[in-house]
Amino acid sequence: QKEVEQNSGPLSVPEGAIASLNCTYSDRGSQSFFWYRQYSGKSPELIMSIYSNGDKEDGRFTAQLNKASQYVSLLIRDSQPSDSATYLCAVKRSWGKLQFGAGTQVVVTP
Amino acid sequence: SAVISQKPSRDICQRGTSLTIQCQVDSQVTMMFWYRQQPGQSLTLIATANQGSEATYESGFVIDKFPISRPNLTFSTLTVSNMSPEDSSIYLCSVFSQGTVPDTQYFGPGTRLTVL
Repeated sequence: QKEVEQNSGPLSVPEGAIASLNCTYSDRGSQSFFWYRQYSGKSPELIMSIYSNGDKEDGRFTAQLNKASQYVSLLIRDSQPSDSATYLCAVKRSWGKLQFGAGTQVVVTP
Repeated sequence: SAVISQKPSRDICQRGTSLTIQCQVDSQVTMMFWYRQQPGQSLTLIATANQGSEATYESGFVIDKFPISRPNLTFSTLTVSNMSPEDSSIYLCSVFSQGTVPDTQYFGPGTRLTVL
């Protein structure tokens, strides 16, 4: 079992719709979770971090965390073509190390 | 967030040679991390570099292949030794932020390495 699992996609989303990305993790003791966006040929860019159960909103992005289910998700509202990228879920391990999922490719279609 | 720069941004190297990648941060940080991203893959941690001590390597990565230096709190280097085509990857350094979210990691722009 992979430590951090994501659907690889691609996830095709019409412009203006909501993109829903999911991530599950295996270490029940994990406390910190991150979503990074990576455009092709670029380095990952942090878009959300979440530490407590529930929802955290930042602009068009909402992260959701359910530690009991070991599940973290990212919603992108009003999807724009500029949101087309690979979204990486990351879970913090000991000593600050990050364990990444395989990433979900999102394609926003006009 | 910290401003991170890497040199070179990209390189094409011959099999059997070595390349040293530099990472510079605009503020002092305790830990620096080196990641590898192979084509079409996600990020994999190579090692953690602490100033004044030996780097800590993850399973599958060894010091002879990826020696790391950390001479001060703003700088680190990663060397990819005796390269083969399988080493063709993007190599990224990252650090914790020094702002209001202390355990958030930010990444440098990466070094795109192609080995022929």
